[in-house]
Amino acid sequence: DGGITQSPKYLFRKEGQNVTLSCEQNLNHDAMYWYRQDPGQGLRLIYYSQIVNDFQKGDIAEGYSVSREKKESFPLTVTSAQKNPTAFYLCASRTGVPNTEAFFGQGTRLTVV
Amino acid sequence: AQSVAQPEDQVNVAEGNPLTVKCTYSVSGNPYLFWYVQYPNRGLQFLLKYITGDNLVKGSYGFEAEFNKSQTSFHLKKPSALVSDSALYFCAVRDLDTGRRALTFGSGTRLQVQP
Repeated sequence: DGGITQSPKYLFRKEGQNVTLSCEQNLNHDAMYWYRQDPGQGLRLIYYSQIVNDFQKGDIAEGYSVSREKKESFPLTVTSAQKNPTAFYLCASRTGVPNTEAFFGQGTRLTVV
Repeated sequence: AQSVAQPEDQVNVAEGNPLTVKCTYSVSGNPYLFWYVQYPNRGLQFLLKYITGDNLVKGSYGFEAEFNKSQTSFHLKKPSALVSDSALYFCAVRDLDTGRRALTFGSGTRLQVQP
């Protein structure tokens, strides 16, 4: 069953803790993306990666970090430097062909407690 | 820079009536345009895209969208709405002529179809 898998579905973090959100795809896609969704603000780009071992900052990268050691995996770490991390996080991937659409995972809802 | 505006937070329509969800965009080069739909607590599902060619694009579930270059718009339409179409709709753009290879999304429009 091909697709993008995000885990966990729900995540709770205490103040001052780092947490890592998982994103795995078996679509053989080159590009992967992390978006943050807040009510009324749409999706904002955190980081993206066009190829293994390379990634670029998006519009709201502060307080987040990523790695792309394998083609299939693009984990996102929410660090304690992110002041308002409570949000819905979406991972996406697509092929390297410019006119193709992105496929999204089911999301991880992160709540700071 | 690339940007997308969805001027309506919510659109209400009666079942069986036509629906339109508005989207305007801004890019410095040529746009790729997309519509996605999101159901509660789920990821986004692709509906349709405009790359080049015919300005009227047909997509999934009976949706279509019209690309208008002079008005920089890409409105989503459906001739007859269903209650099951109620969801959050996002318009997105990618500028072909810049180095940014990621989609920029609008703020979303909630579609409510009343029985």
